Amino acid sequence: DVKVTQSSRYLVKRTGEKVFLECVQDMDHENMFWYRQDPGLGLRLIYFSYDVKMKEKGDIPEGYSVSREKKERFSLILESASTNQTSMYLCASSFPGFRGETQYFGPGTRLLVL
Amino acid sequence: AQSVTQLDSQVPVFEEAPVELRCNYSSSVSVYLFWYVQYPNQGLQLLLKYLSGSTLVKGINGFEAEFNKSQTSFHLRKPSVHISDTAEYFCAVSAWGGATNKLIFGTGTLLAVQP
Repeated sequence: DVKVTQSSRYLVKRTGEKVFLECVQDMDHENMFWYRQDPGLGLRLIYFSYDVKMKEKGDIPEGYSVSREKKERFSLILESASTNQTSMYLCASSFPGFRGETQYFGPGTRLLVL
Repeated sequence: AQSVTQLDSQVPVFEEAPVELRCNYSSSVSVYLFWYVQYPNQGLQLLLKYLSGSTLVKGINGFEAEFNKSQTSFHLRKPSVHISDTAEYFCAVSAWGGATNKLIFGTGTLLAVQP
């Protein structure tokens, strides 16, 4: 069965802390994505990666960075967490190239920044 | 550029009643359309998708959607809902992100099924 896992379901951090969110997929997918989900705003793309060490900015990259050192792992980094980054973070993966490819999602990490 | 509009943020419905969740899209190129469902405290999973061919697409759990090019719509329907269908439903359109495909999501519709 297809599997995307995220390192934490719930996370509480303080303003200014450096935060790492980890995502692992076992489907040998080239593409991986990070979204944030906020009520009334739906899902917004933060960053995506189409290969190891390759990344592209999404619609809301400010305040975030990413790392992809291995094909199966995609990390989202909040360099200095702020309260407006309190949100649900969802990771997804897919095969490349074909625009109709399904994205497979992890269970999400709910981050609270105090 | 592509965009997706889900006008209904919440749809309350009684169990065993029919339901329609509305989705309209905007795109200057041919579209691939998706409906995803998010059950409470879970990630999203694919309900169905339209790639080409028949405009009526059947998905999991008895849901179906109809692609209407002239009205730029992709509404989701179920003839009889269950309590277990209570979830948030997201419509999405596929876009080319420069290096690969990506999804543009609507703001979601919360389907609340009441006994």
